[in-house]
Amino acid sequence: DTGVSQDPRHKITKRGQNVTFRCDPISEHNRLYWYRQTLGQGPEFLTYFQNEAQLEKSRLLSDRFSAERPKGSFSTLEIQRTEQGDSAMYLCASSLGLAGAIEQYFGPGTRLTVT
Amino acid sequence: EDQVTQSPEALRLQEGESSSLNCSYTVSGLRGLFWYRQDPGKGPEFLFTLYSAGEEKEKERLKATLTKKESFLHITAPKPEDSATYLCAVPLSGGYNKLIFGAGTRLAVHP
Repeated sequence: DTGVSQDPRHKITKRGQNVTFRCDPISEHNRLYWYRQTLGQGPEFLTYFQNEAQLEKSRLLSDRFSAERPKGSFSTLEIQRTEQGDSAMYLCASSLGLAGAIEQYFGPGTRLTVT
Repeated sequence: EDQVTQSPEALRLQEGESSSLNCSYTVSGLRGLFWYRQDPGKGPEFLFTLYSAGEEKEKERLKATLTKKESFLHITAPKPEDSATYLCAVPLSGGYNKLIFGAGTRLAVHP
């Protein structure tokens, strides 16, 4: 399977705990995006990497959120001191680094539930 | 303000009953429009990219069209396996191709 993969698929945590999610993009894609999706809504942009550089962060990404993409390969998204409002589906997407509007391919997502 | 609006929010069809989903957008300098299909509990699956007004793309029972203000996803003779949420998205102005999505149309096709 050469698609985008995410791990874990589901995470249940207690409020105040830290969680980390992993995304493995399609191997030749140098652009990587994180989105968050709540029930009944479309995905919302969180952050963007081109290779290992984090080039943009949404204002949705509070100081409790941090993302990395060491060596321009896989990426991690960490949430510190989780809150119930963090409960959502966290989606990773990747695309080729070409000019113009290029389609993004999404992983299966990580469903986070904060109790 | 860049915005994407989809209608209807939900659509129930009988198998074989053709219909259309709407995606209207306001974004400066449209660089493309994407359609995705999302099944419950899964990530969005890419369907189509449309780049300019008048362009059409087809895949099996789906056809996507684009005008200067909106896009339509036409579903011809749908089957129950077409049941899903259909999302449209446009890249925000300002680069990096970050996408702004509509809330989606939840399609249910009944036998």
